[in-house]
Amino acid sequence: EILLTQSPGTLSLSPGERATLSCRASQSVSTLAWYQQKPGQPPRLLIYGASSRATGIPDRFSGSGSGTDFTLTISRLQPEDFAVYYCQQSDISPRTFGQGTKVEIK
Amino acid sequence: EVQLVESGGGLIQPGRSLRLSCAASGFTFDDYSMHWVRQAPGKGLEWVSGISWNSDLIFYADSVKGRFTISRDNAKNSLYLQMNSLRDEDTALYYCAKDRNSGPSSFDSWGLGTLVTVSS
Repeated sequence: EILLTQSPGTLSLSPGERATLSCRASQSVSTLAWYQQKPGQPPRLLIYGASSRATGIPDRFSGSGSGTDFTLTISRLQPEDFAVYYCQQSDISPRTFGQGTKVEIK
Repeated sequence: EVQLVESGGGLIQPGRSLRLSCAASGFTFDDYSMHWVRQAPGKGLEWVSGISWNSDLIFYADSVKGRFTISRDNAKNSLYLQMNSLRDEDTALYYCAKDRNSGPSSFDSWGLGTLVTVSS
């Protein structure tokens, strides 16, 4: 099983600031994705293949990294971006998720 | 527009069985692998099971292996999860999710979920 470890657990930032979220895999992956989840809603795909934005995702969201180290960057936080973010891999089953990073308003 | 609508959740006693369904529309169902992902109250996401477009490949999380069975009916555009020997720790919101493309990939569409509560 591929273990995904996200850091930090919580990120306290103000609107307009830059958010940098990390995801580290226990072994090399190529199908790293990022999701956003707001309370009472299902997850929404933001990034697939480590760096490709999903349909309709604003360009303030960007993904980078390869192998075992990945980053999701939100360039200028908007009020609607405060949420929980998960990374996930589909290289091998089980398709694991990270434990999540909560981005909260400071 | 892709739509995934889960049903079948409810309050169930430990040890009993429940069958979840997911009705799909807005895409060619039999082109894609489909999955169940769950989320316990206040917790993170846990992938439960996945099935390939033609049901040839089926995978389960260790936590449900031997108790849950995933299946699909392409003629009915439907995905199912038969859950037997339910445990307290199976309490969660169960989401149906679609692979983004025909190979192993991320989940690009999700339903709203159906809540399963296992309690005596």
